[in-house]
Parts: sequence; structure tokens; C-alpha cells
Amino acid sequence: QKEVEQDPGPLSVPEGAIVSLNCTYSNSAFQYFMWYRQYSRKGPELLMYTYSSGNKEDGRFTAQVDKSSKYISLFIRDSQPSDSATYLCAMSPDNFNKFYFGSGTKLNVKP
Amino acid sequence: GAVVSQHPSRVICKSGTSVKIECRSLDFQATTMFWYRQFPKQSLMLMATSNEGSKATYEQGVEKDKFLINHASLTLSTLTVTSAHPEDSSFYICSASPPTGTPFPYEQYFGPGTRLTVT
Repeated sequence: QKEVEQDPGPLSVPEGAIVSLNCTYSNSAFQYFMWYRQYSRKGPELLMYTYSSGNKEDGRFTAQVDKSSKYISLFIRDSQPSDSATYLCAMSPDNFNKFYFGSGTKLNVKP
Repeated sequence: GAVVSQHPSRVICKSGTSVKIECRSLDFQATTMFWYRQFPKQSLMLMATSNEGSKATYEQGVEKDKFLINHASLTLSTLTVTSAHPEDSSFYICSASPPTGTPFPYEQYFGPGTRLTVT
């Protein structure tokens, strides 16, 4: 079983839709949860991070963590074509030196 | 913002040759750098963690004699793929962590990646 599971998609939505991206994990030691966006042939860039459970909002993006269910989500409101990319979740226990990545969900927002 | 560069962006080499990939943190000192490889439609797989001035720590299953990592300064780490074979063809990405005391000390800033093709 992989440490982090993520639906690879692709997920295709019309412009303006609300997008929900999700990851599940098996290691209860994970405390830090990150979402990265990766454009084709580029390195990932950090979108949001959260510590432990709860919600965090930044503009059109909301990250949710449910540690009891070992489930994290990223919501994108009013999605734009420029949001089209692969979204990777990543997690880390207190040992910051190792991140565990999901396989990424490819999102396509159609104009 | 923190910028990490990688060079080259893509390289094609013949089987049996060695290839060196450079990773530089341009506007901050990186005490720790990480090397990942990514296969198409797959996750980033951590290969090794390197701290400046010390030997790299390799993940299980990664051959340290094949993937040589040198972190000689706080702004430069290199990955050398020795005696490359077609199965080493992949997208190699480095990341760098800023020192403690920054708002998110465990954040990793990623380079743009290097596409290696071994023929």
C-alpha cells in the first residue's frame, strides 16, 4: 500500500466550476500537509500548507485536513483555465526531511 | 521569492556515459537539498537528501555509487548519474530547504527539473 494515494485523473471541468482534489494516506504520523501545483515540464510550486487538522483558506483555494479519516482536500473556487496543471499533495511527519508525495491529479479547466 | 535553478534543463546521452546535473539556490542558502525522480504520471520519488558538507542520505533502493551527490556549498548540489542506462531516463528534480528560523523552515523550493534521456 502506498503511503499517499491520489486519483491521477484527468479531471476536466468548465471555467468557473468548483474543483475538489483529494488525497488519502495511511501513516497517522503525518502532521504537515502540503499542496503543490506542477505545470508541464516544470518543478512543483507550493500552493498551501496546513498543520494537523482543520481548514485553511487563501484566495480561491481552501485546504482541508481530516486526520481522523486520513483524508485531505484542496478546493478551488471559480476555477480558471490558468489553474490547469497537475496538483500534488505532500505530507510529512515531524521529521521535516522527508516529504511523501501523491502521484498528482491532472486538472483541465476548459474556457 | 526563493528561486532554485537546475542545469541542464534537458540532456541526451549515450548509454555508459556519465551525466552531471546542477541544482542551485539563487537567493537563499540551502542547508538541505533533495533529489527526486519522477516518471510520467507518477509521483515524485525521493532519491536522496543532502546536507552541506556531509554525505548524502540515500533512500532505500537507490544506488549511491550510481547516483553520486555532492553538496559542496550552501547554494549548490550536484547529481551525477554514472554509467547511465536507458532505464535511468527520467525527470530529475531537486529541491532546497531554507535554514531554520524562516516562516516555513520545512518548505521545499523546487527546481524546474532536468529531463534525462539515455539512448
